[in-house]
Amino acid sequence: DIQMTQSPSSLSASVGDRVTITCRASQGIRNDLGWYQQKPGKAPKRLIYVASSLQSGVPSRFSGSGSGTEFTLTISTLQPEDFATYYCLQHNSYPWTFGQGTKVEIK
Amino acid sequence: EVQLVESGGGIVQPGGSLRLSCAASGFTFSSYWMHWVRQAPGKGLVWVSRIDTDVTQTNYADSVKGRFTISRDNAKNTLYLQMNNLRAEDTAVYYCVRGLWGCDYWGQGILVTVSS
Repeated sequence: DIQMTQSPSSLSASVGDRVTITCRASQGIRNDLGWYQQKPGKAPKRLIYVASSLQSGVPSRFSGSGSGTEFTLTISTLQPEDFATYYCLQHNSYPWTFGQGTKVEIK
Repeated sequence: EVQLVESGGGIVQPGGSLRLSCAASGFTFSSYWMHWVRQAPGKGLVWVSRIDTDVTQTNYADSVKGRFTISRDNAKNTLYLQMNNLRAEDTAVYYCVRGLWGCDYWGQGILVTVSS
């Protein structure tokens, strides 16, 4: 199975900050990776697909990069509604695997 | 508008069975792979199972293999998850998910609690 190591597990940031979250795959997954945002009590929402493509309707402050084993989600200017938990998901091979999650909290 | 609505959850005793359903609308259901993803209380997301468009291929997480069966009825636009021999560790919110370049649209989730 492919292991997805996501870091950090949590971070504190202020509105307006630039935030970066990383996922590392235990083996190469090309660009078969998505990023998801989940707020408490809600279903996850996809932000980024195939590593760097912005999901329709998602603000442009979200961006993704990477290929192979190293991937990054960047929020360029953190907004109040961005405080949530973020997950990466590899869909290169079964079983699909998620990162452990990164909780973005208000500083 | 894509809609995925899960039903069939509830409380079941260890060793019991439950069948989840997911009613899909707003898209051509028969054209998409479909998945189940679960989330135990306070924990992260875990992929459970996937089915292709014409029910010829399925995949399962090791933790549910042999106990859970994914199926679909394209005529009824419905996805199913038959869960047998349930264990306490199966307690989770189960999400029905459409598969396009990973998981694109998610249902609201349904809670399954395995407890005596």
